[in-house]
Amino acid sequence: AQSVTQLGSHVSVSEGALVLLRCNYSSSVPPYLFWYVQYPNQGLQLLLKYTSAATLVKGINGFEAEFKKSETSFHLTKPSAHMSDAAEYFCAVSERGNNRLAFGKGNQVVVIP
Amino acid sequence: NAGVTQTPKFQVLKTGQSMTLQCAQDMNHNSMYWYRQDPGMGLRLIYYSASEGTTDKGEVPNGYNVSRLNKREFSLRLESAAPSQTSVYFCASKGYGRGSNTEAFFGQGTRLTVV
Repeated sequence: AQSVTQLGSHVSVSEGALVLLRCNYSSSVPPYLFWYVQYPNQGLQLLLKYTSAATLVKGINGFEAEFKKSETSFHLTKPSAHMSDAAEYFCAVSERGNNRLAFGKGNQVVVIP
Repeated sequence: NAGVTQTPKFQVLKTGQSMTLQCAQDMNHNSMYWYRQDPGMGLRLIYYSASEGTTDKGEVPNGYNVSRLNKREFSLRLESAAPSQTSVYFCASKGYGRGSNTEAFFGQGTRLTVV
């Protein structure tokens, strides 16, 4: 079954600095990949998704992610962190033709003023 | 358009009690999911239903049962609650047809405490 690895449970970033969250997947074929964000006491909402149309995917709130098949990665970036980016971020994978959806352990992002 | 609705939002159970968490979606999605979220563990899949009439085990199915009542509703039952089942539970739905490339929509969660 597919799986997702996110390293570093807590990530601290200064306001205005680059946000980089790493996601690596394990799957026999290139899967569909997603990044979700969770604000305190809320459900998850979609930031962006990769469905093979383009390797560089732009999402909401200035986030983007690049799919790299050779590295089995789908890292999330944002050039300049804002205080409102403080949240938990999850990478998720869904295999083609299989509706099972698996999540990584998440990254708690703290933005330092 | 309500999306995914979970009830209840909060619940406290005594060890050994049973309860059912309810989930309903109004987006005509085929697939529905139950996850639990624990600190440092991310979201772990308990059960999912790829389409009406089918259910499959996820990573952590022990101690739980599910029912896909119809296309809209997917319930999660704890037959004999244990303190290890204290968690936040999320229901989600996604997909038209095989829909593995579509996004999942989440409910607001049920915070369950077993004492």
